[in-house]
Amino acid sequence: AQKVTQAQTEISVVEKEDVTLDCVYETRDTTYYLFWYKQPPSGELVFLIRRNSFDEQNEISGRYSWNFQKSTSSFNFTITASQVVDSAVYFCALSEVSGGYQKVTFGIGTKLQVIP
Amino acid sequence: DTGVSQNPRHKITKRGQNVTFRCDPISEHNRLYWYRQTLGQGPEFLTYFQNEAQLEKSRLLSDRFSAERPKGSFSTLEIQRTEQGDSAMYLCASSLPPVGGQGGHGNEKLFFGSGTQLSVL
Repeated sequence: AQKVTQAQTEISVVEKEDVTLDCVYETRDTTYYLFWYKQPPSGELVFLIRRNSFDEQNEISGRYSWNFQKSTSSFNFTITASQVVDSAVYFCALSEVSGGYQKVTFGIGTKLQVIP
Repeated sequence: DTGVSQNPRHKITKRGQNVTFRCDPISEHNRLYWYRQTLGQGPEFLTYFQNEAQLEKSRLLSDRFSAERPKGSFSTLEIQRTEQGDSAMYLCASSLPPVGGQGGHGNEKLFFGSGTQLSVL
């Protein structure tokens, strides 16, 4: 069975600080995909990134960066120079193919509050 | 370009009543998912449609829940005889099939609506 653990339920940082959101996953599959989604107060989850299990290259997109380490089953997300607009709940998710469709397991989310 | 639309945004009902939610996915997306999210938790999968066919249902979906996607476009989720435990945010998501065909490759990006917040009194 798949499992995604986000140990940090809430984080508060002061604007311009860097912050890392942790994600640890469990799966028996050799092929899988990892995602991060952002859920602002409006409620709509917004896709941020996906990574397949064969690609361990770290990725940077503006102030966002992701560190995928298969050896530790982790897919951590760092926001550099945080801004108030980054305040949201962030979900890490693990996807596998089951019965021909994408079965996604979400973590419980990390609520990030950026204080001005 | 419009995103995934869900109606209503909020629904308050009394226990025992029936409720129906609607989801309009992005027009070219043939895959549609319903998720349920309770406070402090991540979304949990409920059911999946590919076009008009309902291909998968979670064990979370009791007999009181039914979902349809009659013409492969919009979808409805109905809850009969609501219970207080049904109170949650109901999220709809849609996606395109992965590049290369209709098989599930697991990497589809999900586009979510803003959800319907159900409160059962």
